[in-house]
Amino acid sequence: DSGVTQTPKHLITATGQRVTLRCSPRSGDLSVYWYQQSLDQGLQFLIQYYNGEERAKGNILERFSAQQFPDLHSELNLSSLELGDSALYFCASSPRAGSAVEQFFGPGTRLTVL
Amino acid sequence: DAKTTQPPSMDCAEGRAANLPCNHSTISGNEYVYWYRQIHSQGPQYIIHGLKNNETNEMASLIITEDRKSSTLILPHATLRDTAVYYCIVRGDNYGQNFVFGPGTRLSVLP
Repeated sequence: DSGVTQTPKHLITATGQRVTLRCSPRSGDLSVYWYQQSLDQGLQFLIQYYNGEERAKGNILERFSAQQFPDLHSELNLSSLELGDSALYFCASSPRAGSAVEQFFGPGTRLTVL
Repeated sequence: DAKTTQPPSMDCAEGRAANLPCNHSTISGNEYVYWYRQIHSQGPQYIIHGLKNNETNEMASLIITEDRKSSTLILPHATLRDTAVYYCIVRGDNYGQNFVFGPGTRLSVLP
């Protein structure tokens, strides 16, 4: 158990819909990261927040957005869903930003778009 | 971030040491070598990381060559539960640097 929690574990929805994925980082961790893992793309970094502010962006679509709240939990919003958005979405956290700091991953949310 | 090259798959007998190689010939001086693993569809699990020196923790040892162009992750006594995909990642110190996961090595520990 990494200490990072994600809800829900599974989510099934239809094309065109909007969903919100939630992540609670490890106690004391200020940095939150979102990753997407699909069968054909592997694990891809989406976005990073540090203490409430966006720190880095990866391959995140414009239909996707995220935020980190004052209590440090984070939400990833996915809108106008397409079949290709079906994937595992992982959240990770670390005490701070920087390359010498490991990230701890949550168990993921499996999103299925029908 | 420097790219890494890993064999797509490896087998190891239970109880034996598993040695997983990784090439990162374009690594630069401020880039760390990280190892993660992913068991089935669970979240990636941190194993170990290092910059120049060899590192050891309760899970594994990391051996980095002197020129830093390659490294080896060693699981000293592999068990069936070590069957997973192992990712070698090189991560720089630039602002906003994050993990870039490649296809990794699928390690199968055989009874």
